[in-house]
Amino acid sequence: GAVVSQHPSRVICKSGTSVKIECRSLDFQATTMFWYRQFPKQSLMLMATSNEGSKATYEQGVEKDKFLINHASLTLSTLTVTSAHPEDSSFYICSARVGGSYNTGELFFGEGSRLTVL
Amino acid sequence: GDSVTQMEGPVTLSEEAFLTINCTYTATGYPSLFWYVQYPGEGLQLLLKATKADDKGSNKGFEATYRKETTSFHLEKGSVQVSDSAVYFCALSDSGGGADGLTFGKGTHLIIQP
Repeated sequence: GAVVSQHPSRVICKSGTSVKIECRSLDFQATTMFWYRQFPKQSLMLMATSNEGSKATYEQGVEKDKFLINHASLTLSTLTVTSAHPEDSSFYICSARVGGSYNTGELFFGEGSRLTVL
Repeated sequence: GDSVTQMEGPVTLSEEAFLTINCTYTATGYPSLFWYVQYPGEGLQLLLKATKADDKGSNKGFEATYRKETTSFHLEKGSVQVSDSAVYFCALSDSGGGADGLTFGKGTHLIIQP
């Protein structure tokens, strides 16, 4: 199956700094990628939908100026947590949908990135 | 809005026991239903899916049947193994799992003891 890779898998940063998380589709082109956030013992919550070459669509309650999403190519989307605070500590997961004529509707997930803000 | 409710965990079973993880949903349309599995240290993987009522998804000995009348998609396996220990997520999509992402349940942590 398709492979989605996230980097870094773990990151620790100081409060007030910014952190960038990358999500890559390794063997397919993804016109649409999704970013989720997972709190301990909670489900994945969709944060935003990232479309290649256009602005991301954010879910209600997600601050677009705090969680910057860039989908500059068909294989890469980035999530930047700006001015991070301890409450931003969480597990961030991306997924990608196979695009173009091969769209099966199935999503493929990255391994997740655990952010800890001190 | 859409929502998915699945049984709280952790669920602890002995090897070769019968497994059921309950999942019910609410949705405005006719969603597609999914079970994802997350093994320790790994990303979510699609386990099985069903796209319309009465469909049965199956994979690796796991099965789930799309029951529209009870809005359920319970996951079952006849004989679990230690390697099945993982977190299982029930999910739905109103658009075939594609255009707008997925709505997930909270996940059920399954622990299989030898």
